[in-house]
Amino acid sequence: DIQMTQSPSTLSASVGDRVTITCRASQSIAKWLAWYQQKPGKAPRLLIYKASNLESGVPSRFSGSGSGTEFTLTISSLQPDDFATYYCQEYNGNSPRTFGQGTNLEIK
Amino acid sequence: EVQLLESGGGLVQPGGSLRLSCAASGFTFKSHTMTWVRQGPGKGLEWVSCISRSGGDTFYADSVKGRFTISRDNSQNMVTLRMNNLRADDTAVYYCAKRKVGDTWNPIDYWGQGTLVTVSS
Repeated sequence: DIQMTQSPSTLSASVGDRVTITCRASQSIAKWLAWYQQKPGKAPRLLIYKASNLESGVPSRFSGSGSGTEFTLTISSLQPDDFATYYCQEYNGNSPRTFGQGTNLEIK
Repeated sequence: EVQLLESGGGLVQPGGSLRLSCAASGFTFKSHTMTWVRQGPGKGLEWVSCISRSGGDTFYADSVKGRFTISRDNSQNMVTLRMNNLRADDTAVYYCAKRKVGDTWNPIDYWGQGTLVTVSS
């Protein structure tokens, strides 16, 4: 099975900062990677799919890049609503579709 | 508007069984692969199972293989997860989710609000 490793596990930042979260796959997944945002007590929300495609309705300050085994999620200018936990997920096939362990983005 | 409404969660003893249901609306249900994802208390997301559009193909995480069964009823817009021989580490919020369509592989694009399963004596 593919292993997904996110870094950092926790990220402290301020409103207006540019932040980057990294996700590494244990083997190539081409561009089959999604990023999700989750707030406490809520279901996750799709932000980015196929590594760099912005989901409809997601603010343009979110962007994704990468291919193969290394991927990044960038938020260009943090807004108060962005403080949440972020997960990457590979979907290179039907199963098992592994998630990264999550990155908790907190207010500095 | 896409809606996924899970039900069936609750408290069950170790070794017991539970059936989760997910009622879908707001999209063409039979056109989408459906998925269950769970999240243990204070933990990350774990993919559990998915079922193809027709129901003919099913896939499971190793952690639930042989104990959980996913099924769907396209006439009722419903997907079900039957869970047997439950263990304490199955305790989690279980989310029903739908996949996007349109590419070779597609991510989850909508999630239900989840139903809590607690396995404890």
